[in-house]
Formats: sequence, structure tokens, C-alpha cells
Amino acid sequence: AQSVTQPDIHITVSEGASLELRCNYSYGATPYLFWYVQSPGQGLQLLLKYFSGDTLVQGIKGFEAEFKRSQSSFNLRKPSVHWSDAAEYFCAVGAGTSGTYKYIFGTGTRLKVLA
Amino acid sequence: ETGVTQSPTHLIKTRGQQVTLRCSSQSGHNTVSWYQQALGQGPQFIFQYYREEENGRGNFPPRFSGLQFPNYSSELNVNALELDDSALYLCASSWDNGEQFFGPGTRLTVL
Repeated sequence: AQSVTQPDIHITVSEGASLELRCNYSYGATPYLFWYVQSPGQGLQLLLKYFSGDTLVQGIKGFEAEFKRSQSSFNLRKPSVHWSDAAEYFCAVGAGTSGTYKYIFGTGTRLKVLA
Repeated sequence: ETGVTQSPTHLIKTRGQQVTLRCSSQSGHNTVSWYQQALGQGPQFIFQYYREEENGRGNFPPRFSGLQFPNYSSELNVNALELDDSALYLCASSWDNGEQFFGPGTRLTVL
């Protein structure tokens, strides 16, 4: 079955520290992968996406993610976290089944940033 | 280029009522997908409309229904509202089975 797992429900880091949010997916074909950020009461903002090519993807706000096919992972990283990065982060895989292309999301990781 | 818009922003209904949520797709897009995001969860796929026909459905009961219009805008209708229907409803538009672009969402509260 197609699925996305974000093992960490909550993560707390100090401002200026590095960050890595984990994402593992289960999908039979070549995946299209996404990371979104959501602030409280807001919609989804796309941080970055992977379709093909270079496995290290750069996104907005200084985020990057690395696609590792052998580990079925697409972890999100940032070298130095800012207080404004506090939000919920969702990993998603684009999955096509019987002519329908939908996104399957993980349950999210809530990031708290300490001053 | 106009992005995906949704209306209303917020909505409060009581159990048993019916609700209609609206979505205007991004210019040039012909496909609209609807997602439900319950509190503390990731978005879950409800269904998709492609060229005015339903094109795939997630694990949601028939009281969740939709429409797509000739201009590719869409409606999500929910009948016989239940407390668990309280959620953020997101629509996303795309061209065929391409990348989906999300709207800001409609927050539905069922009392």
C-alpha cells in the first residue's frame, strides 16, 4: 500500500541549530515527493519538490531535502533554524492509481524553536 | 495568473445540516482534488474531478459529493454533517495528472 511515514510527531530545536525532519515512503513506482509547511490556521505552503534528476533538492527559506531511493526516504534539512520556522511540516508522495493522481500525506511533524 | 481560491474561509454548522464549499481552480487547470485535514492530521484525499467527471475517490462516505463546472471550478457538498466532519478542507487544482496547487482552505466547524 502507498503510504508516508513521518516518525517524529514533535521536534524541538534551539534557534541557530541544524534541523532534520524524517520522511519515509512506500510507493511501487518512481515517486514524486513534496515537503509542505503549515502555520497554525493556515493552508499548505510548498517548500520543495522532487520529480527526477539530482537527488539533493533546494527549496525556499533555506530548506533542502535528499531523496534516497535505497532507504525510501526524503528527509528535510536546514543548517540553521530561525524562530519563524516553528510550524507543522508535512511530507507527501504523489501517487497515481487507475488514472487518478493524488497526494498521500504523512501525519506531520510539529517543530518548536527555542530562543 | 490567479491562484487557487476557496470560499468561504470559515464556516460554522450544526450536526445534521448540509454544507457547500467552493473552489476556483488556477487558470489553465482542468482537474480539482479535494482533501480533508482533521486537527492534528495530514490531509486525506476525498475525491478528484477531471473535466466535470469524478475521477477517483478516497475512503469517504457517499454523503461527501462534488461537482465540477465547465469553467473547472468545483464544489464539495457534505450532507448530514457529523461532529467529525470538523476540519480544514483543501482543494488543489492541476493540469491533467500534473503537480497540484493548493488553495488556502475552508475551515468547517460542526457543533
